[in-house]
Amino acid sequence: GAVVSQHPSRVICKSGTSVKIECRSLDFQATTMFWYRQFPKQSLMLMATSNEGSKATYEQGVEKDKFLINHASLTLSTLTVTSAHPEDSSFYICSAVPGQGFNNEQFFGPGTRLTVL
Amino acid sequence: AQSVAQPEDQVNVAEGNPLTVKCTYSVSGNPYLFWYVQYPNRGLQFLLKYITGDNLVKGSYGFEAEFNKSQTSFHLKKPSALVSDSALYFCAVRDMGAGNNRKLIWGLGTSLAVNP
Repeated sequence: GAVVSQHPSRVICKSGTSVKIECRSLDFQATTMFWYRQFPKQSLMLMATSNEGSKATYEQGVEKDKFLINHASLTLSTLTVTSAHPEDSSFYICSAVPGQGFNNEQFFGPGTRLTVL
Repeated sequence: AQSVAQPEDQVNVAEGNPLTVKCTYSVSGNPYLFWYVQYPNRGLQFLLKYITGDNLVKGSYGFEAEFNKSQTSFHLKKPSALVSDSALYFCAVRDMGAGNNRKLIWGLGTSLAVNP
């Protein structure tokens, strides 16, 4: 149990286009999902906290108009990178926290590798 | 301020030898501590956690960690390393100032290389 999927696993896009990444909790309901960004061989950088039915909370320095987050249901959150530029190329990882149990453990998706040309 | 430190960027051990990946923390109150592992180009996998109870926590893949309150440490250990343990390891602590959001504060990660 407690499986999180991400789609797509890898995406290449042209500069100026928008890309949507989906994060799904497959066998549990997640009231909270987190979106992270990770550069090669570096730690996770928390971008935002996504709560179902409310606006996401963005970390300092993260542009909310560029990284649009929608958490429309208890099993799905989406991250849209708008007007992507090469500097947005990164590994994006989501995690989900079950609404009940698991003592605060986060379950991670496999990540999405975004390359902006 | 709450923080997590992983003092070693890289740890190298020979296969079959014991391994330790260090983590220290600074939080107010009782900490919730976690270890995660990340294999290349993959998401993170949960290894173990300490919430309360026994200071020695056993987790996945033969890993364990010891919570030491006086030293504010939560070092990850394994008695006999395998080449397949080579990966990036992250220590994390719950952000006690984040209310019910269960946000985690992450260490910078330690790259473990197990040599055959």
